[in-house]
Amino acid sequence: KQEVTQIPAALSVPEGENLVLNCSFTDSAIYNLQWFRQDPGKGLTSLLLIQSSQREQTSGRLNASLDKSSGRSTLYIAASQPGDSATYLCAVMERETNAGKSTFGDGTTLTVKP
Amino acid sequence: DGGITQSPKYLFRKEGQNVTLSCEQNLNHDAMYWYRQDPGQGLRLIYYSQIVNDFQKGDIAEGYSVSREKKESFPLTVTSAQKNPTAFYLCASSFQGGRQPQHFGDGTRLSIL
Repeated sequence: KQEVTQIPAALSVPEGENLVLNCSFTDSAIYNLQWFRQDPGKGLTSLLLIQSSQREQTSGRLNASLDKSSGRSTLYIAASQPGDSATYLCAVMERETNAGKSTFGDGTTLTVKP
Repeated sequence: DGGITQSPKYLFRKEGQNVTLSCEQNLNHDAMYWYRQDPGQGLRLIYYSQIVNDFQKGDIAEGYSVSREKKESFPLTVTSAQKNPTAFYLCASSFQGGRQPQHFGDGTRLSIL
């Protein structure tokens, strides 16, 4: 059974710092990996989706990498801002026909201090 | 604007009562999902549906039921058999095949009276 782990569980940084969030998974036979942002009491917003054949995806100040063989993904946030404060979750999708089932990590709660 | 609408935002259940959470999407997505989120934890899959009139159990389906009579709608019923229903419930949808991102609604928070 796929297990997804995110370390650290919480992170507090000063504004302007570059930071890395980590996601690891136990079964490397994944179809894709997705990074989400969740604000308190809200649903999830998709940030980046990396297909299993890709190594990385970029969107603005965000860069996500994927290393299937080692079962790891990182989300790099450049020049962090207070508005980046949120919980970040990663999810891996199984390769099971078109089922599209995802397994989620518990998230990393990021606080960016002004 | 296209999106996923969940209602109600807050819901209270009495002992022995069934309650139904609504999820509607106008994104023309084939697949729809229901997740449960407990405080400080990630999401756990309850049920998912790839096409109309078909759905499969996820990891924690016991005490829940769903229907998929229309492409746009995927309601979730929390039955009295679910002994610990207090949680944040999230509905999501996507195109089939997993090459496009999942989109989420804003959730329903269910509490016990």
